[in-house]
Amino acid sequence: NAGVMQNPRHLVRRRGQEARLRCSPMKGHSHVYWYRQLPEEGLKFMVYLQKENIIDESGMPKERFSAEFPKEGPSILRIQQVVRGDSAAYFCASSPRASQFRNEQFFGPGTRLTVL
Amino acid sequence: GDSVTQMEGPVTLSEEAFLTINCTYTATGYPSLFWYVQYPGEGLQLLLKATKADDKGSNKGFEATYRKETTSFHLEKGSVQVSDSAVYFCALIYDKVIFGPGTSLSVIP
Repeated sequence: NAGVMQNPRHLVRRRGQEARLRCSPMKGHSHVYWYRQLPEEGLKFMVYLQKENIIDESGMPKERFSAEFPKEGPSILRIQQVVRGDSAAYFCASSPRASQFRNEQFFGPGTRLTVL
Repeated sequence: GDSVTQMEGPVTLSEEAFLTINCTYTATGYPSLFWYVQYPGEGLQLLLKATKADDKGSNKGFEATYRKETTSFHLEKGSVQVSDSAVYFCALIYDKVIFGPGTSLSVIP
């Protein structure tokens, strides 16, 4: 059973470009979570999605960031008009049921975004 | 709101030393508690967990006990190895995962 997959592993963008980060959850998992890890900091929750629904986006910046989890295909975290402060590691996690049920979340290897 | 506090790092230990990384939490409900480990350049891996008070999680020689009375979940290992060098994150799950800031551990031969 393959784990959570993220691609690309490393992404370099110039200021003003768009960044698209992809996450394929573990097989059988329908809940996806995105976290951001800034240099020298812990992980901060960004958004929680189920198929075709955003459940909790309380950690998402109000502008330039969006996330989706379509019926088919991976979850996408999109950052428009990137700035240097967006440079971070972005981790995706998945679980078979909602985290309200205290389930463990399984993490992907992360995408390291560098904005030049 | 809910939060997790961990001891400041970095922590440097000699091989075979005893390890304690303190973790305390505040939560309005009754969360599950986790320790995750992040090796250099990799994602997070679950190290151990406890879902209710007095539960003890253990894995790979690491242990932590869910102490409701002190709202703590300290990580311990009796004899660390160089391969344990990593960043350790304490986390609670109630309606979302809340991570502590992480504690960097370096074990030297």
